[in-house]
Amino acid sequence: RKEVEQDPGPFNVPEGATVAFNCTYSNSASQSFFWYRQDCRKEPKLLMSVYSSGNEDGRFTAQLNRASQYISLLIRDSKLSDSATYLCAYTGTASKLTFGTGTRLQVTL
Amino acid sequence: DTAVSQTPKYLVTQMGNDKSIKCEQNLGHDTMYWYKQDSKKFLKIMFSYNNKELIINETVPNRFSPKSPDKAHLNLHINSLELGDSAVYFCASSQDLAGGITEGYEQYFGPGTRLTVT
Repeated sequence: RKEVEQDPGPFNVPEGATVAFNCTYSNSASQSFFWYRQDCRKEPKLLMSVYSSGNEDGRFTAQLNRASQYISLLIRDSKLSDSATYLCAYTGTASKLTFGTGTRLQVTL
Repeated sequence: DTAVSQTPKYLVTQMGNDKSIKCEQNLGHDTMYWYKQDSKKFLKIMFSYNNKELIINETVPNRFSPKSPDKAHLNLHINSLELGDSAVYFCASSQDLAGGITEGYEQYFGPGTRLTVT
């Protein structure tokens, strides 16, 4: 089993739609969790850290479920500019980021 | 006022050559990293340095040798390049607690170096 698994997509959604991605991880010792956004041919940029209580930033909501070992990202009112690849990641005891392979989102008119 | 910069942005070279990629951060961070993103877009850590000291080496061939002359710079030298080395290499940095603990701290990535080996 891969350390971090994501549905590669693509998720094709119309503008204004709500879309959710899940990411499962296998290392139960994982400490901190993140969602990164990566545009085509660009570097990953942190979108959100994921706290155990869940957190929200505008249209974006992240949740962590340690019992089932997954994190989720919900995007409400999708914009064209949300089109990108979304990478989930965690740090474990080795203090390194382990990434999933990403979920591609395409928002259309 | 670029936070994490890398040079060159593109690198095309032939098999067997030796090449270097440079990385600099002006964020005052103590920890720097090298990641490799392959053609399948899988992003994987290669090395991590804390205050010029190697703390993570992820079973990378010893043709790859990182060097950190100071905590603001982490360079990557690659000997005897192979076709499979073609990828995008990202440098990153993060602040940390004493002892190189980086839990919960954001990593800032450079723009990447696209290496093509022919």
